[in-house]
Amino acid sequence: KAGVTQTPRYLIKTRGQQVTLSCSPISGHRSVSWYQQTPGQGLQFLFEYFSETQRNKGNFPGRFSGRQFSNSRSEMNVSTLELGDSALYLCASSQLTGRGTEAFFGQGTRLTVV
Amino acid sequence: SQQGEEDPQALSIQEGENATMNCSYKTSINNLQWYRQNSGRGLVHLILIRSNEREKHSGRLRVTLDTSKKSSSLLITASRAADTASYFCATGDTGNQFYFGTGTSLTVIP
Repeated sequence: KAGVTQTPRYLIKTRGQQVTLSCSPISGHRSVSWYQQTPGQGLQFLFEYFSETQRNKGNFPGRFSGRQFSNSRSEMNVSTLELGDSALYLCASSQLTGRGTEAFFGQGTRLTVV
Repeated sequence: SQQGEEDPQALSIQEGENATMNCSYKTSINNLQWYRQNSGRGLVHLILIRSNEREKHSGRLRVTLDTSKKSSSLLITASRAADTASYFCATGDTGNQFYFGTGTSLTVIP
């Protein structure tokens, strides 16, 4: 069974641009969550999608958005990039949503904003 | 905000020794998961322990959970150089929104 696939692995963008990251969950998994990891703030929850619906959202500005497609693949978009958006973005795949669900992570997308 | 805090922040041991790291959290949970992260890479799921469980084993890993103290520990026995990584605990309550601790950086010296 293939794991969680995130593309691209690395991105360099200029301040003010926008970026789209992609996440393909494990086959059969319907929940995708996104996290931002920075040295200063650690791992922080961005949002979760389940069956194409956003279920939870973390404390991030509206520049961060996402969506999920019918095949459970998810995309995350960041508009008007700022230097502080430089981070490792991780997505997690779970079979279900709710309590007691194991989450499996992809390798992440390393975004650098210059 | 991060709910969990791992302790110690950094740990250095000799190969073959056991490594113990602890995680404390603030609110009630339904489950707690431990992850490993090699430098700058994705998180590898190690083990999930539910709030009604007290101890769980997986290979060389042993996890305990004390909900009354809001704490968990991860024990890695007979450590190997390949165990060198950062270890995080993550707590979940609603949906798949997990709160991660600050991590313990483990170095296993060959």
